Amino acid sequence: DSGVTQTPKHLITATGQRVTLRCSPRSGDLSVYWYQQSLDQGLQFLIQYYNGEERAKGNILERFSAQQFPDLHSELNLSSLELGDSALYFCASRAGGDGTEAFFGQGTRLTVV
Amino acid sequence: GESVGLHLPTLSVQEGDNSIINCAYSNSASDYFIWYKQESGKGPQFIIDIRSNMDKRQGQRVTVLLNKTVKHLSLQIAATQPGDSAVYFCAENPGASKIIFGSGTRLSIRP
Repeated sequence: DSGVTQTPKHLITATGQRVTLRCSPRSGDLSVYWYQQSLDQGLQFLIQYYNGEERAKGNILERFSAQQFPDLHSELNLSSLELGDSALYFCASRAGGDGTEAFFGQGTRLTVV
Repeated sequence: GESVGLHLPTLSVQEGDNSIINCAYSNSASDYFIWYKQESGKGPQFIIDIRSNMDKRQGQRVTVLLNKTVKHLSLQIAATQPGDSAVYFCAENPGASKIIFGSGTRLSIRP
């Protein structure tokens, strides 16, 4: 158990809908990362938050947004969903900034039908 | 998207042999590198890391080698076991807190 909790584990929704994925980082970790993993692909970096502030951005679509709350949990919002958004979404947390490993949750499997 | 490159998408190894998984990275400013293991249906699991001021680091049955001159990383797994079957990712930290992953190498073990 990495200590990072993601909910829900599975999500099935229709095209055009909006969903929210939730991540609780390890206790004390200030950084939260979001990644998207399509079938048999690598992990695409979406966005990172540090202590409530956006720190780094990857190839995140404009339809996607995220935030980190004062209690350090984070949410990833996906809207106007398309079939191609079906993927595993992982959250990772890290104690600080550079130079330390990130710990991953078990992911949320999103299926858009 | 942003990614680190990998030499081979799949690797098949005889049980008990050593495995070597290679990775090329693109950002010469990267100063920290991580290897992750991902089993089917699970999140990536940290294996070992190395900083750019080192060229070798050993863990339990695993060794990571870093060649900054050619921007190359490798992960060596000694005495490969069935439980080592997974996809292995290298990742780099090119600053600005990003952690960028490669596309992964699938390691399969022959009995």
